[in-house]
Amino acid sequence: DTEVTQTPKHLVMGMTNKKSLKCEQHMGHRAMYWYKQKAKKPPELMFVYSYEKLSINESVPSRFSPECPNSSLLNLHLHALQPEDSALYLCASSHPNGRGAYSTDTQYFGPGTRLTVL
Amino acid sequence: KNQVEQSPQSLIILEGKNCTLQCNYTVSPFSNLRWYKQDTGRGPVSLTIMTFSENTKSNGRYTATLDADTKQSSLHITASQLSDSASYICVVSANDYKLSFGAGTTVTVRA
Repeated sequence: DTEVTQTPKHLVMGMTNKKSLKCEQHMGHRAMYWYKQKAKKPPELMFVYSYEKLSINESVPSRFSPECPNSSLLNLHLHALQPEDSALYLCASSHPNGRGAYSTDTQYFGPGTRLTVL
Repeated sequence: KNQVEQSPQSLIILEGKNCTLQCNYTVSPFSNLRWYKQDTGRGPVSLTIMTFSENTKSNGRYTATLDADTKQSSLHITASQLSDSASYICVVSANDYKLSFGAGTTVTVRA
């Protein structure tokens, strides 16, 4: 199984709402990532989890709160978002190597969640 | 600064024809280079991955080349099909956690 699944596929929320994005993989990968992608732009890294611990936070605003409940699941909790946060949110996973350089193995991406903030 | 530049930005080809996409990078130290295919509104799907010592790698009708000396890569699509219409992204990784993404080439295949 080389699949990363994400739910929901689409999400529309108001600026005062609280919602969560979910990501799941069963490939035994111990590195998981959240990316944000605006239209016609490459993905931008937000967070990296390694062995269920937050390893990298790319200076993401606190209205985005990641959580890794176990080795297969990754959540992104959303609160008080702004319209400019509307984007495609991608989850990815990979094997981390022993030195902690997460990017040297292929990252498998999920289909993404299309988020619209009104 | 690590950069990845792709050309052309977009191209239109007729079904059955071939095309070649280019990727130039300045990422250092170099670990590997991947080509991803991304359909609109979907996540990227890995097509090929090449390390420093590899010059060519194929995946069906997709063939990627790498010249690590000149820091250039190409992706050749043979006998294009309508389903090849997508964005093709060149991604280069150094020996750290971060991937350097190109802006992508949008390919449109017309019947």
